[in-house]
Amino acid sequence: EVQLVQSGAEVKKPGESLKISCKASGYNFPIYWIGWVRQMPEKGLEWMGIIYPSDSDTRYSPSFQGQVTISADKSVSTVYLQWSRLKASDTAIYYCTTGTVSGYDSWGQGTLVTVSS
Amino acid sequence: DIVVTQTPLSLSVTPGQPASISCKSSESLLNSDGKTYLYWYLQKPGQSPQLLIYELSGRFSGVPDRFSGSGSGTDFTLKISRVEAEDVGIYYCMQGADFPYTFGQGTKLEIK
Repeated sequence: EVQLVQSGAEVKKPGESLKISCKASGYNFPIYWIGWVRQMPEKGLEWMGIIYPSDSDTRYSPSFQGQVTISADKSVSTVYLQWSRLKASDTAIYYCTTGTVSGYDSWGQGTLVTVSS
Repeated sequence: DIVVTQTPLSLSVTPGQPASISCKSSESLLNSDGKTYLYWYLQKPGQSPQLLIYELSGRFSGVPDRFSGSGSGTDFTLKISRVEAEDVGIYYCMQGADFPYTFGQGTKLEIK
């Protein structure tokens, strides 16, 4: 069974850095694209970027290019989403998602990031 | 980016009645491999999104057969033949034809 388990909720101040994680299990992690989706409070879903863990090929949505960094560690089957300087507007739930059957069919439970002074 | 537009944004349905959601894309989602990369997701309250329909009309494992997807090119429809109470939530269509993938705005389904 495919499982994506995300790290816990975070409360940060503007300007701080943050790295959240998504640990995958139950499938061959390196050979499936895995991505991050943002959901701001009471808003819809937005793709941030995707990564192919086998060679770390990464693609960012233009809205998020330069704002975040997506990385993967094959040795621990984990993908990361990182900010160097958080803003209040980064307050959101972040989901990791991958697809081993068709489309993006497996989702993590979400990580709530709250950025407030 | 491919723009995806959903209508309506909200829907109130009596249990047992049908429901239909429309999704339009700014470009064709038909790929040269013959597949149409249009997906439907349901996000139930307080939960992560769950895949209902893949590649236009494929029903994902465990999804009841009252859910069906149809359409072609740039116009798509999700139909629920008989709405049940457990179907409440927000429905999103998503194009997976070209990155950045994009979601529609979402359609909130409530039960009358």
